[in-house]
Amino acid sequence: SQTIHQWPATLVQPVGSPLSLECTVEGTSNPNLYWYRQAAGRGLQLLFYSVGIGQISSEVPQNLSASRPQDRQFILSSKKLLLSDSGFYLCAWSWGQGTDTQYFGPGTRLTVL
Amino acid sequence: AQSVTQLDSQVPVFEEAPVELRCNYSSSVSVYLFWYVQYPNQGLQLLLKYLSGSTLVESINGFEAEFNKSQTSFHLRKPSVHISDTAEYFCAVSVRNTGFQKLVFGTGTRLLVSP
Repeated sequence: SQTIHQWPATLVQPVGSPLSLECTVEGTSNPNLYWYRQAAGRGLQLLFYSVGIGQISSEVPQNLSASRPQDRQFILSSKKLLLSDSGFYLCAWSWGQGTDTQYFGPGTRLTVL
Repeated sequence: AQSVTQLDSQVPVFEEAPVELRCNYSSSVSVYLFWYVQYPNQGLQLLLKYLSGSTLVESINGFEAEFNKSQTSFHLRKPSVHISDTAEYFCAVSVRNTGFQKLVFGTGTRLLVSP
């Protein structure tokens, strides 16, 4: 069976510090990978998605970036965090053309102070 | 491009009462439809989905949704809710088309079940 992991589970960072969130998927190969953000009391915002190693599509211009160094690893980064980067970050994966179910990780709660 | 509308941001209901969470979508092509549930501080979990076939789909915990093409809706219903159903519910749509497609999510409906 497939599992998806995210770490850390929670993170408190000062404004201006760097960020690295990691997501890994087990039990499947060549998945589509996604990063979403949920700000407090708001819905899901798709940040990035990837259909293969080194292939990253950005949905929203911002100070975040994503990388996919391995088939089942997806990393979300920032060089300098802003207060507005606070939120709940969710990683997800899917198969094929992306039209079917996305499977979500447990999330990372990021607080920028 | 497709879009999803969940008009109710919050739905309060008493335990054992019926509930309906509304979802409408817009798309010029055929769609796949999903309902996800999110419990506090957790990721989203698939509740049910419509890909093809019967327009009425059911989940293992008593929820059901009906695909209505003429009304472009996919409302979620449960005849009798439990306290444990308190969560946020997201409707999502993708289209039947060539090439890579993304899920488009609604803004979510918070279901609050009280005793």
